[in-house]
Amino acid sequence: KQEVTQIPAALSVPEGENLVLNCSFTDSAIYNLQWFRQDPGKGLTSLLLIQSSQREQTSGRLNASLDKSSGRSTLYIAASQPGDSATYLCASDTNTGNQFYFGTGTSLTVIP
Amino acid sequence: GAGVSQTPSNKVTEKGKYVELRCDPISGHTALYWYRQSLGQGPEFLIYFQGTGAADDSGLPNDRFFAVRPEGSVSTLKIQRTERGDSAVYLCASSQYVGRKPGQTDRPKNIQYFGAGTRLSVL
Repeated sequence: KQEVTQIPAALSVPEGENLVLNCSFTDSAIYNLQWFRQDPGKGLTSLLLIQSSQREQTSGRLNASLDKSSGRSTLYIAASQPGDSATYLCASDTNTGNQFYFGTGTSLTVIP
Repeated sequence: GAGVSQTPSNKVTEKGKYVELRCDPISGHTALYWYRQSLGQGPEFLIYFQGTGAADDSGLPNDRFFAVRPEGSVSTLKIQRTERGDSAVYLCASSQYVGRKPGQTDRPKNIQYFGAGTRLSVL
């Protein structure tokens, strides 16, 4: 079974700082790795999806990278803003099924 | 619709009762997933539909849980004889994902769009 770990569990940074969230997974035979944002009491919002043949994806101030061989992905957030405060989750599928396995998330607080 | 809709948003029930949770996916999305999220945890997979059929129900915890999608759009998650341990947020996601076709070495994108969830509380 795929195990997804996210470090750190919580992060607090001043506004404007660049930051990196880490995600690791035990089974490197994945096809899709997805980063989500979850606001309190809300569902998940897809931020970026990286397919196994890709190394990174970018959207605005967000950049996600994927290193399949080492079982790692990172989400880089540039010039953080208070509106970025949320829980960030990563999830991957595996080549043995279509379900996604989620990490427990990193709770980010950006201080004005 | 514009997004994935889940009803009710909150459900409080008593131990032993039967509940139904509804998910209305984005129009045209053939894939539908149910997840369960406990406090402080990531979503945990329950079941995946491709069209009307349950393609993978390996995440259902026991036979008290059942889900249907009779016309390939709206899905209902049904829980019999609810227990306090069933209390969680139940999330639904839909996707345009159609699975890997014969001869494809890679798998298509599977961008999942989530509803706001149903918070189930079993007293």
